[in-house]
This record gives sequence, structure tokens and C-alpha cells, in this order.
Amino acid sequence: DQQVKQNSPSLSVQEGRISILNCDYTNSMFDYFLWYKKYPAEGPTFLISISSIKDKNEDGRFTVFLNKSAKHLSLHIVPSQPGDSAVYFCAARSLNTGTASKLTFGTGTRLQVTL
Amino acid sequence: DGGITQSPKYLFRKEGQNVTLSCEQNLNHDAMYWYRQDPGQGLRLIYYSQIVNDFQKGDIAEGYSVSREKKESFPLTVTSAQKNPTAFYLCASTISGGSAEAFFGQGTRLTVV
Repeated sequence: DQQVKQNSPSLSVQEGRISILNCDYTNSMFDYFLWYKKYPAEGPTFLISISSIKDKNEDGRFTVFLNKSAKHLSLHIVPSQPGDSAVYFCAARSLNTGTASKLTFGTGTRLQVTL
Repeated sequence: DGGITQSPKYLFRKEGQNVTLSCEQNLNHDAMYWYRQDPGQGLRLIYYSQIVNDFQKGDIAEGYSVSREKKESFPLTVTSAQKNPTAFYLCASTISGGSAEAFFGQGTRLTVV
């Protein structure tokens, strides 16, 4: 039962263009969504997050959009740079997990930014 | 510098042996987590702990055990009962009751030989 889905395993984008990574979820109890970036053989690093009470959050080149009615979120990277090449994981937290921030992760999208 | 340290980075184990993965944090975070990553899959939660001397099973706890005797430390033991132990293991921590942002260690690659 995959509650967080990233249906595109890979994405290739030219340097300078926009990268759009998508994520869908099924659990309506999720209240907080995060994006992580991961290089091979390293731990994920936090990129950007959004609360379910918002529909957009921006941080520099990174913007996350949330469409609650569609249970869909997306990460936009503009402009894309070669250093952005990595695997991006979408993650979600459920409301009813007490004080722990149990995160449910998607399967990841490998982004390759080409010159 | 504050952070999470996992050791060792690479670990080899013979079938039938237990092995313990170390995770230490100096971020003063209350909650700690163990995830497992397999190729083509997302991170799956093994165990988590919200406070010292307390921990709960995650989604794939079978064949694993943990302890939380100190706030800074959350070691994971992969027992011989774990059928497919070869994987990349990640430890994380969060401020309890704070934002959901989890900080991750660099991971341990466990290979059963």
C-alpha cells in the first residue's frame, strides 16, 4: 500500500530549464509534506517543506506547490543546474503520530540536469 | 558541528550473525528513527523512538531490534531472523513536537556474505 507515490522514476532536464517533480498521496491525514535530495551512498538532505494549510512555499530556486483536493504536490526547480542532479524523495507526515514525525516516503525520482 | 553520525559506513556480515549499526546525534533531538532503503524503493521505517527508554515498531520491524538508553544514541541490531538484511540503513532525528524535518546520517551499507 504505497501512500506516497512518485510515478516518474527519472527525469532529464536541460541546464537553465525548469524541473518539475511530482508526487501524489492517498492518506488524507497527512498534514505536512517535505522534499529531500539524495546523492548515492549518502543520507537525504532536507530541501523544502509545506504545511497542509498552505498551497505554495518558495525558497530560492525551489518552490513546492500543494493541491489538497487532488492530493498532489510538485517541486519546481528554476533554473535547473547540473548540481541538482540527484534523487528527490517526496515525504509526508501524518497528523495522528503523536510527537514523533514519522515520515512516509515516495520511491524517488532521479533528476539528471544535462548541459 | 551538530549532526548525526552513523558507523560504520560499510559493513559485511555472514549469514546467521547478528550485527549492530551505530547512530549517535548531538543535535539534542528527542526523537530518532531507523529507515531502510532498497533499490527502486523509498525509505521504509524500521523503528522509532520519541524519548529515552521508549521505542515503537515501524512498518518493517521484523528481524530488527533497537535500544534507547541515552538521548544521543539509537543503535539498531539486525538479527539473523531478518530474511533480507542487505540494504542501505539510514538513521534520522527530529525535534519532538517541532517541525517534521528529519535530519539524516550518512548511512550504513550492510551486505550479507
